[in-house]
Amino acid sequence: QKEVEQDPGPLSVPEGAIVSLNCTYSNSAFQYFMWYRQYSRKGPELLMYTYSSGNKEDGRFTAQVDKSSKYISLFIRDSQPSDSATYLCAMSTQGGSEKLVFGKGMKLTVNP
Amino acid sequence: GAVVSQHPSWVICKSGTSVKIECRSLDFQATTMFWYRQFPKQSLMLMATSNEGSKATYEQGVEKDKFLINHASLTLSTLTVTSAHPEDSSFYICSASQSNQPQHFGDGTRLSIL
Repeated sequence: QKEVEQDPGPLSVPEGAIVSLNCTYSNSAFQYFMWYRQYSRKGPELLMYTYSSGNKEDGRFTAQVDKSSKYISLFIRDSQPSDSATYLCAMSTQGGSEKLVFGKGMKLTVNP
Repeated sequence: GAVVSQHPSWVICKSGTSVKIECRSLDFQATTMFWYRQFPKQSLMLMATSNEGSKATYEQGVEKDKFLINHASLTLSTLTVTSAHPEDSSFYICSASQSNQPQHFGDGTRLSIL
């Protein structure tokens, strides 16, 4: 079993849809959870950063962490064509100074 | 804030030459920098972790003599691919972190070896 599992998709939705992206993990020591967005031929861009369990909201994006289920989610409301990208979940046990464990990345396309 | 600049963005060179890639944190001091390699349609593969003033820690299977990493200051790390060959062609991405803050990534360098 891989440490982090993420459905690679691809996922295609119409503009305005609510998008739900998920990752599961097996290492209960993970405490820091991140979502990155990567456009084609660019580096990943940090979208959300969460410590431990709970919800975090930033504009149209909401990140949820359920440590009891070892499950994290990213919700995108009112999705836009500009949200079309690959979304990577990442996690670590000790924050940014430690190497991240990434999911495979989910390729999302939002159709106008 | 938290901008990481990577240069060059694209380089083409002949087999056997060495190529240097720079990674700079523009608005923060990066205590730790990371170098990744990414193959098409795949996730990032960590190559090495470097702390300022220390030798880099390489992941298993990464040749330290081929991929030389220098982290001479809190804002600059370099990756030198020595005696590059076509199989080294890839997308190389750096990231930087300040203390325990999340990693911020550069925009990557597309390396093509002819």
